[in-house]
Amino acid sequence: GEDVEQSLFLSVREGDSSVINCTYTDSSSTYLYWYKQEPGAGLQLLTYIFSNMDMKQDQRLTVLLNKKDKHLSLRIADTQTGDSAIYFCAERRGGATNKLIFGTGTLLAVQP
Amino acid sequence: ETGVTQSPTHLIKTRGQQVTLRCSSQSGHNTVSWYQQALGQGPQFIFQYYREEENGRGNFPPRFSGLQFPNYSSELNVNALELDDSALYLCASSLDQGVGEQFFGPGTRLTVL
Repeated sequence: GEDVEQSLFLSVREGDSSVINCTYTDSSSTYLYWYKQEPGAGLQLLTYIFSNMDMKQDQRLTVLLNKKDKHLSLRIADTQTGDSAIYFCAERRGGATNKLIFGTGTLLAVQP
Repeated sequence: ETGVTQSPTHLIKTRGQQVTLRCSSQSGHNTVSWYQQALGQGPQFIFQYYREEENGRGNFPPRFSGLQFPNYSSELNVNALELDDSALYLCASSLDQGVGEQFFGPGTRLTVL
């Protein structure tokens, strides 16, 4: 099927690391993305990784990709209260449209 | 460089009515994709427009239609509104059929009563 799976909820304390996990479905997907959505807002692109990479670091964000298991994770170091939001992973399917298939989102709650 | 904008921000309609939502793509982008995000769900792909032509469609009925204009802005039209059409509608702007990064607008919240 088309389902991209994420756990629904993650709670961490401020200053800790957060790890959000995602399992995608299409081994031919070329790019994998992480988007952040704050309440009532659109999607903010955080970072993405090309499928031939296994890691990408961007300031506090680290993306790990296990292509064999179709598993993607986003690690946020030194998590802040402003990081509280819903995080979506998305895979970009090939073909002419390059449409994005999104997971159901993980709500990250950061406790002060 | 201007970002992706959408209008209106909120809209309330009744069943059976028609609605038009608008999206202005980011400067330099020629592709607009539309997504529907129901409450508590991830966005679902509706269709994509590239250089004024529909360039792929998700699993949505024909009463969802669209247009792209020469300046690459786009409209999403929904006819015969149903209660289940209540959602956040997002457009994403990108280059060349979504090859590069896809940047999203803030969305239009549609409520159907």
